[in-house]
Order: sequence, then C-alpha cells, then structure tokens
Amino acid sequence: QVRLQESGPGPVKPSETLSLTCTVSGVSVTSDTHFWTWIRQAPGKGLEWIGYTHYRGSANYNPSLESRVTISVDSSKKEFSLRLTSVTAADTGVYFCARAAFSRGYDGSHNEHFDEWGHGTVVTVSS
Amino acid sequence: DIQMTQSPSSLSASSGDRVTLTCRASQNIGTSLNWYQQKPGRAPKLLFFAAANPQGDVPSRFSGDGIGAEFTLTITNLQPEDFATYYCQQSFNTPRTFGGGTKVEMK
Repeated sequence: QVRLQESGPGPVKPSETLSLTCTVSGVSVTSDTHFWTWIRQAPGKGLEWIGYTHYRGSANYNPSLESRVTISVDSSKKEFSLRLTSVTAADTGVYFCARAAFSRGYDGSHNEHFDEWGHGTVVTVSS
Repeated sequence: DIQMTQSPSSLSASSGDRVTLTCRASQNIGTSLNWYQQKPGRAPKLLFFAAANPQGDVPSRFSGDGIGAEFTLTITNLQPEDFATYYCQQSFNTPRTFGGGTKVEMK
C-alpha cells in the first residue's frame, strides 16, 4: 500500500526557510512514471500547486513561488523534500505531499493527476 | 495561467438528491481535468482523472463528464458521506491550477 507522510518544523519565523520532508513507502521514489509533488492550502482557502520533480531531477515550479522554492528527491532515504525560502505569513497553511501519475484522456489528451496524498502538515509563519 | 471556475461555490442538498457541479476552464484543455473530494481536516481524494475515469473504488453514483472547457461532476442519490468540498484541477499546462471548490452541504 502506498503511503506518503509529511514531516516538518511546524512554526517558522518570517524571513526564515521552511523545510518539509515527505517519506514514501509502498512505492519507489525512483519510479520513472511518477512525479513527486507539493500542494498547499491556506486556512479556509483552496488548493495551490507548488511544484513537482522527477527523481532524475527535472523539476517544475509554480511561477508565483519559483524564485523561493526547491523540490528534490533523496532516493537513498525514500523521501522527497520542499524548501521554501524567505517565508511570510502568506505561506501559512497545510502542506500536502502527493504523487503525480499520468494517463491519456479518451480524446488522446495528456493527463496528470494526483493519486496518492499525505495527510498534510500544518505550517504557521509567525514571529 | 489557466483559470478554473467552479459553480456554484456552495449548495445545500438532502440525502437522495441529485446534484451537478460545474467546472469551467479559461481555455480548451481537452480532457486534462481531474476531480477531488475533500472533507474537513483531510487530504483531498482523487475521484476522477481525465475528465471521466473513476479512480479506484469511487461509487457508481458519481460520474464525471466533459471535454474542452466545460466539465461536470454529478452525484446521484446523495449519501451522507458525500457532504464535502469538491475541487477540479487542470493538467493541460503548468502551473497546475485548481478551481475554488464547491462545498456540498446538508440542507
């Protein structure tokens, strides 16, 4: 059974760097057919895609965060991580790690969906 | 960025009702559209991928449809466990974007 579990510091001070880890079990992070993803949700708000990476190193980030974010895979530890620099109160929320899988629609369209999720970890940015 | 607009933002319904949730994309995205269900304090759960393909053991009372820029998620015979917030998400372009959600509440 696939399981993703986030871990992180909880409270972070403004201007500091947020570091989160997602431990993966039941599937290999070196899968060629999956990307490893971070998604966040501000309190009472909707979902925001932060970005994802493949274990071979090709990452793609939300342009709104690209200058501050790094997502990387550590295959030896069976985990992937998120690093977000210069945080502000606007970065407060629940952070989810997820697995992206790929498929084709009936019209041949490329599709990617988030089929496995961690439970989420609360991050509070406050002095 | 592709904007995803869901309507209504919330609706009240009773067990046994049939409800239809709509998701509109700001451009043609083919069938690169997924639906998720989220309950309070929980992670989202994938319901449908590529517009109409149910994920895993999604109950048959749920159905997804659409192509291009307009998509629907229909729940027939609404059950108590279906009261939740539903999000659509496009995978046509990066950044991947979600709709604002439709909250299905008990009347």
